[in-house]
Amino acid sequence: EAQVTQNPRYLITVTGKKLTVTCSQNMNHEYMSWYRQDPGLGLRQIYYSMNVEVTDKGDVPEGYKVSRKEKRNFPLILESPSPNQTSLYFCASSLTGYGYTFGSGTRLTVV
Amino acid sequence: EDQVTQSPEALRLQEGESSSLNCSYTVSGLRGLFWYRQDPGKGPEFLFTLYSAGEEKEKERLKATLTKKESFLHITAPKPEDSATYLCAVRTNDYKLSFGAGTTVTVRA
Repeated sequence: EAQVTQNPRYLITVTGKKLTVTCSQNMNHEYMSWYRQDPGLGLRQIYYSMNVEVTDKGDVPEGYKVSRKEKRNFPLILESPSPNQTSLYFCASSLTGYGYTFGSGTRLTVV
Repeated sequence: EDQVTQSPEALRLQEGESSSLNCSYTVSGLRGLFWYRQDPGKGPEFLFTLYSAGEEKEKERLKATLTKKESFLHITAPKPEDSATYLCAVRTNDYKLSFGAGTTVTVRA
């Protein structure tokens, strides 16, 4: 089944403890992207990638890192999480950079 | 800065009561406008892409239209299963997608 898989689905962590949210797609898509979704603010793009080793900042990149060493994987790294990064995170991929397929989301709580 | 504004924020409909959702945008160089559906606790599901003014797309009870300044998502004779949050997004000359805050539609039987 064609899909974007994120892990974990739920995560509670403490301020300052480094964490990684994994994202993998099995559709051989070139484009991948990370979003956060907050009530009243909608989906905001964090980082995106057009191909292996090619990444760029979205609208809210501060406090996040990404890497794209393989085409299928696009992990999101929070080096020192803070409470304002508590949010619902989505990974998405696309063959052309137009219609995206989204993962099921990761609900992160930083205390 | 690119802006995408959706209205209304919430819409409550009776089953069979047709209505429209609005997405207005201000962007420099539109490369595509997208509609997504999002159910509670799930990721957005792609519905349509519109590329140029005058274009229309249909899927079951949904019809999306595009002008130079806005897009409409028309829901004809909705059913309870059409209840969801509908998201609008635009892509400009770079590869960024900018989303609106969404319209939450509730259809009562």
